[in-house]
Amino acid sequence: KNEVEQSPQNLTAQEGEFITINCSYSVGISALHWLQQHPGGGIVSLFMLSSGKKKHGRLIATINIQEKHSSLHITASHPRDSAVYICAVRRDTGNQFYFGTGTSLTVIP
Amino acid sequence: NAGVMQNPRHLVRRRGQEARLRCSPMKGHSHVYWYRQLPEEGLKFMVYLQKENIIDESGMPKERFSAEFPKEGPSILRIQQVVRGDSAAYFCASSPTTFGGYTFGSGTRLTVV
Repeated sequence: KNEVEQSPQNLTAQEGEFITINCSYSVGISALHWLQQHPGGGIVSLFMLSSGKKKHGRLIATINIQEKHSSLHITASHPRDSAVYICAVRRDTGNQFYFGTGTSLTVIP
Repeated sequence: NAGVMQNPRHLVRRRGQEARLRCSPMKGHSHVYWYRQLPEEGLKFMVYLQKENIIDESGMPKERFSAEFPKEGPSILRIQQVVRGDSAAYFCASSPTTFGGYTFGSGTRLTVV
């Protein structure tokens, strides 16, 4: 069993839809990251969270430490949001990062 | 662009050759992390380095792989006697402190033929 589970694995949405990607983890963490990876491209760090909620433009990330769960929301989705979104957690002991396998999002015009 | 620079972007090696992947962290960042992404799999932690020190190499294969981050110059991930299973995307990230401000590079895609 992976330390980090994401759902859904694949997601197709119409342009303008509100999108939610979920991440659950099973280890104690010091921080959780949401990353974006475009096909064949590099990785961009979207958010780092240790509690509460963060917002950047149309992206919102929330975390519930007690429930070991985080969500990434995209409002008014756009085709350029199409990418793989990866949840990563940093253990509260040691330096290990654990990554989810990613959610592949396709936004159709 | 003062981001994390990785080179080369693409590297092709024959089985048995050596692969050297370079990562120049962002200016002011002294912490470097290497990750591997195998085809159809998620990212896996390999090694965490600070200048001249390996802090955590628990994700590195025990043989053929080594990493360094010298006082001057980029961090180097070295793979000796490459095999087909080493074909993957290798990403590095850097940060100014232990716990924040990570920036990822664009990765090096290694293909072993």
